[in-house]
Amino acid sequence: GAVVSQHPSWVICKSGTSVKIECRSLDFQATTMFWYRQFPKQSLMLMATSNEGSKATYEQGVEKDKFLINHASLTLSTLTVTSAHPEDSSFYICSAREVRLAGSVGTQYFGPGTRLTVL
Amino acid sequence: AQTVTQSQPEMSVQEAETVTLSCTYDTSENNYYLFWYKQPPSRQMILVIRQEAYKQQNATENRFSVNFQKAAKSFSLKISDSQLGDTAMYFCAFMKHVVDDKIIFGKGTRLHILP
Repeated sequence: GAVVSQHPSWVICKSGTSVKIECRSLDFQATTMFWYRQFPKQSLMLMATSNEGSKATYEQGVEKDKFLINHASLTLSTLTVTSAHPEDSSFYICSAREVRLAGSVGTQYFGPGTRLTVL
Repeated sequence: AQTVTQSQPEMSVQEAETVTLSCTYDTSENNYYLFWYKQPPSRQMILVIRQEAYKQQNATENRFSVNFQKAAKSFSLKISDSQLGDTAMYFCAFMKHVVDDKIIFGKGTRLHILP
């Protein structure tokens, strides 16, 4: 099946630094990628929807200046957490929707997640 | 706005038993998708089963089947002959039948399969 990778899988950083997380669709093209945040024992909360070549659409309450999303190609989206603080510590998951024929909805595949710890 | 409700935060069953996880949703849409995702301790999200609202027949994938009641807006997951590897968090999810639309997840049910 289709594979979505995330890098790094785990990152620890100091408060005030920025961290970039990459999401790649390895064997398919994805015009749309999604970024989620998951706190321990909670559900996935959608942060933003990223479309290749255009600005991301952020969910209500998500600071777009803090969580910068770039979707530069059909196989790569990046999430940069700027000036990270301990409250940004969480599990970040991306997903990629494969390109399908017009009018149909492609399957969405999830990456393995990135654990961010901000000291 | 669409909502997904899972009323069972946690369940435990003995290995080889059958277990049913409940899910209800609210939408004004007529055409949409429903999903059950599994998240094991590795935290990798795995699609278990998918149902398209316009299909009356309930989806089945090996030991996993759903009971889709469109009028009642209910979408339960039945796991037959449960196995230890089924231990995981299970999320019910909804998506409108729109090309770039997002998946909305329920809060999840933590399922423990006991040996």
